[in-house]
Amino acid sequence: AQKITQTQPGMFVQEKEAVTLDCTYDTSDPSYGLFWYKQPSSGEMIFLIYQGSYDQQNATEGRYSLNFQKARKSANLVISASQLGDSAMYFCAMREAGTGANSKLTFGKGITLSVRP
Amino acid sequence: DAEITQSPRHKITETGRQVTLACHQTWNHNNMFWYRQDLGHGLRLIHYSYGVQDTNKGEVSDGYSVSRSNTEDLPLTLESAASSQTSVYFCASSETRTALNTEAFFGQGTRLTVV
Repeated sequence: AQKITQTQPGMFVQEKEAVTLDCTYDTSDPSYGLFWYKQPSSGEMIFLIYQGSYDQQNATEGRYSLNFQKARKSANLVISASQLGDSAMYFCAMREAGTGANSKLTFGKGITLSVRP
Repeated sequence: DAEITQSPRHKITETGRQVTLACHQTWNHNNMFWYRQDLGHGLRLIHYSYGVQDTNKGEVSDGYSVSRSNTEDLPLTLESAASSQTSVYFCASSETRTALNTEAFFGQGTRLTVV
């Protein structure tokens, strides 16, 4: 079974509007962390935001926020006031504590976001 | 500034040849990882290392090997390149910490084409 599921097809959003990118995950470990990375067309991987499984509040970083619904095992990324530079591929990833906190990240397949002017 | 660099950035090789992709980081991180990125699959872990002389297989390790002789470098070797190994390869590193929120830093990627 996939640990990270990103099933949305390519997403489109009008500039200055908000957009939600979906991510669901599967783990039996009570302690885990969830990450979102952005990959623009230039190819680099840019860390955006982190949410821990025990965090009481949803994470926020500037225009990025994470809609964390633990019972539903979802960690959706919300981008507010979209900008043309937000056009990129976005990856959701998870680290599980049970295999050691140094352990690797497991990634989803990614979602392509295009921002229309 | 500390960084993680991959070389070459682009490579074309022939089927059956041995190929080595370099990864060098100046973060002094103990943890290093190799991923491959393919459309429809996202990033998949090939091999990883938690320190010098330590190497571990990831989910798609067949046909690949790594060695860790120092902290800074984790070269990835394709023993006998196959067309199925045409991909974009990313190296990443992270600190040795117990916190789940330890960020992984990625190289710029190497685009490998096997013809």
